[in-house]
Amino acid sequence: DTEVTQTPKHLVMGMTNKKSLKCEQHMGHRAMYWYKQKAKKPPELMFVYSYEKLSINESVPSRFSPECPNSSLLNLHLHALQPEDSALYLCASSQMGARTEAFFGQGTRLTVV
Amino acid sequence: SQQGEEDPQALSIQEGENATMNCSYKTSINNLQWYRQNSGRGLVHLILIRSNEREKHSGRLRVTLDTSKKSSSLLITASRAADTASYFCARGAGNNRKLIWGLGTSLAVNP
Repeated sequence: DTEVTQTPKHLVMGMTNKKSLKCEQHMGHRAMYWYKQKAKKPPELMFVYSYEKLSINESVPSRFSPECPNSSLLNLHLHALQPEDSALYLCASSQMGARTEAFFGQGTRLTVV
Repeated sequence: SQQGEEDPQALSIQEGENATMNCSYKTSINNLQWYRQNSGRGLVHLILIRSNEREKHSGRLRVTLDTSKKSSSLLITASRAADTASYFCARGAGNNRKLIWGLGTSLAVNP
């Protein structure tokens, strides 16, 4: 199984809502990532988890809150988002950080209204 | 900016032609990776080339790495309409805990 599964595929939320994005992998990868991607731009790293611990937070606003409940799951909790947070949110995993290839989910297309 | 640079930013070719994309970077690397992204979907890993390798092949893809010039190129031979996508290079950073991405090349292969 070389898949990273993300749910939901699409999400529309109001600025006062709370929602969560979910990501799952069963490849035994110890590094997991959240990226944000705007149209026609490269992915922008948000968070890195290594061995279920937060390793990198790229100065992401606190309205985004990551969680790694176990080695297979990664969540991104969303609260009080702004319209400019609308983007494609990608989850990825890798065996050995940037020393090995990353596997990406299909993303969640988020629209904040 | 730590981002790598890719050129061209956009490339339009006819089916059957070859497509070449280039990537430059500024610091030493452990490896350099190439990914493809179809419109609005997740990225797919294509090739990882290590710093001690000069060339790598996978099917119709050929990647070269010149560490003295801090550059890499991705060649797609005999292109197909299905190769239409954005292509990104990425290198390790932050003690290899994360990837730094190039700006990408948007490739259009016309039938």
